[in-house]
Amino acid sequence: GENVEQHPSTLSVQEGDSAVIKCTYSDSASNYFPWYKQELGKRPQLIIDIRSNVGEKKDQRIAVTLNKTAKHFSLHITETQPEDSAVYFCAASSGTYKYIFGTGTRLKVLA
Amino acid sequence: GAVVSQHPSWVICKSGTSVKIECRSLDFQATTMFWYRQFPKQSLMLMATSNEGSKATYEQGVEKDKFLINHASLTLSTLTVTSAHPEDSSFYICSARERTYGYTFGSGTRLTVV
Repeated sequence: GENVEQHPSTLSVQEGDSAVIKCTYSDSASNYFPWYKQELGKRPQLIIDIRSNVGEKKDQRIAVTLNKTAKHFSLHITETQPEDSAVYFCAASSGTYKYIFGTGTRLKVLA
Repeated sequence: GAVVSQHPSWVICKSGTSVKIECRSLDFQATTMFWYRQFPKQSLMLMATSNEGSKATYEQGVEKDKFLINHASLTLSTLTVTSAHPEDSSFYICSARERTYGYTFGSGTRLTVV
């Protein structure tokens, strides 16, 4: 069945360094890839997304890259700050509005 | 922006009782809503897709008779956990898709069954 793998499960970086989280999807029909940030006990918040017709998208310190051939996509956070600490989830969708989420990455930015 | 309201935010119930969770789209109509369950330190697992005016579509392994879903209007979907047991304790979260703002999550409901 459809599956999204996410790595690493935990990531600690020093403030100011970059963080990279990678996801791999199995459904070749997937064409939309959002990334969510979830703070403890709160709802996931969309931080960036990318569609299959684009290879890269950037929004200030956050960027996402997509490799359709390899079926993987990555989240890049530069100049990390303590407030970036949270759990990040990738997801893949084939346009049916049904999202398959990755297993999550707990990012800790050390001050 | 699109807002999805979910109530209650937390509930404690006795084993064997039923609990109803509501998910409302406040400023848009949602023909489809999704219900997820999230165990501590785990990902969001899709339980079912709620379709306005028709039966919900359940994911494999989710008991439709235990997790009753009703989507009677374009702005309201409800999830009822019937005969709840301690293993049903989890964070339940709904989501809906709005045409302009995309996929929006409700604030979640933390269910504790004692």
